[in-house]
Amino acid sequence: EDQVTQSPEALRLQEGESSSLNCSYTVSGLRGLFWYRQDPGKGPEFLFTLYSAGEEKEKERLKATLTKKESFLHITAPKPEDSATYLCAVQPFSGTYKYIFGTGTRLKVLA
Amino acid sequence: SAVISQKPSRDICQRGTSLTIQCQVDSQVTMMFWYRQQPGQSLTLIATANQGSEATYESGFVIDKFPISRPNLTFSTLTVSNMSPEDSSIYLCSVREGDTQYFGPGTRLTVL
Repeated sequence: EDQVTQSPEALRLQEGESSSLNCSYTVSGLRGLFWYRQDPGKGPEFLFTLYSAGEEKEKERLKATLTKKESFLHITAPKPEDSATYLCAVQPFSGTYKYIFGTGTRLKVLA
Repeated sequence: SAVISQKPSRDICQRGTSLTIQCQVDSQVTMMFWYRQQPGQSLTLIATANQGSEATYESGFVIDKFPISRPNLTFSTLTVSNMSPEDSSIYLCSVREGDTQYFGPGTRLTVL
């Protein structure tokens, strides 16, 4: 069964304290892995798409990496405005373009 | 990326009533999706709506409870029928561009 697990569930960081969020996945064949940011009361905002092991994408203080079993979202020198829930989703090679979402990591960055 | 709007942004409804949520996209898209996000949970796909064909529902979701319309390539509606408190959720519209899905702002529904 296709599955996505994110850890930790919640993370509190001091401003400037770098860390990583984990997304582990089990899927019969990976078409793509996606990271989103979701602020309270809003829809998910697209961050990155990763397609193959070894691929990396960067945007400001965020860098996403991908292996055959997991993806990491590295946050370098975070700021309070990076506080949000970060969601990971995978799209299997099922022909339906369906995403399977993890439960997210709630990040709080303290000033 | 496409700009997606939803109406209403939030609503409080009585048990047994129905609510129709509208999703408008600023460009023509083939595939639209409807998701549910229950409190403290992640996103669960309700159905996929392609223009000109019947919506495809995921396991656990039925057309009688969540009828969907897709009259053209920029618009869709999701109706939540005969609501109960368990239907209290955020309902999200999404569109696919390439391999990526982009989401609307969501509709926060509370059922009393």
